[in-house]
Amino acid sequence: DVKVTQSSRYLVKRTGEKVFLECVQDMDHENMFWYRQDPGLGLRLIYFSYDVKMKEKGDIPEGYSVSREKKERFSLILESASTNQTSMYLCASSLTESYLGSLHFGNGTRLTVT
Amino acid sequence: KNQVEQSPQSLIILEGKNCTLQCNYTVSPFSNLRWYKQDTGRGPVSLTIMTFSENTKSNGRYTATLDADTKQSSLHITASQLSDSASYICVVSDNFNKFYFGSGTKLNVKP
Repeated sequence: DVKVTQSSRYLVKRTGEKVFLECVQDMDHENMFWYRQDPGLGLRLIYFSYDVKMKEKGDIPEGYSVSREKKERFSLILESASTNQTSMYLCASSLTESYLGSLHFGNGTRLTVT
Repeated sequence: KNQVEQSPQSLIILEGKNCTLQCNYTVSPFSNLRWYKQDTGRGPVSLTIMTFSENTKSNGRYTATLDADTKQSSLHITASQLSDSASYICVVSDNFNKFYFGSGTKLNVKP
């Protein structure tokens, strides 16, 4: 079965800290995504990657960066965490060839920045 | 502007009752529409996916409909169970493989 694993379910960090959120998928998917989910706003795309070492900005990339050194791993980096980055972060992956293929999500990381 | 709007925002129903969730979209060019279920503290899981030519698709007690002319979709849940309590998210894709998310409907099924 498809599996997307996010390394932490809950994280509490202080303002100004550098934060790493890790995501690993075991499906050999080309595409990987990072979203944040806030009440009433739905999922908003931060960054996505369609291949190793490739990355594209999503709708809200400010304050974030990403790294994709291996096909199965996509990391989200908060260079200097701020309180407005307190949110649920969801990683997802999908196949390129199958335009009908679903986004497969991890269980999320709930980040609190104090 | 490509948008996806869902209604209602939240819904409370009694166990065993039916309910219908709505999704209206303005995404163009339209490729497909998906409904996801998100349990509390978990990631969304796909329920159904429909293309332009499909107007109904079922997955157990879940039935999704699509009217591509009016750009509306609905998700009907039959004989609700406590385990149906979750958020339901409508996601529309365009022909460039970009996903547009609704803000979800939070369903609470009470015994």
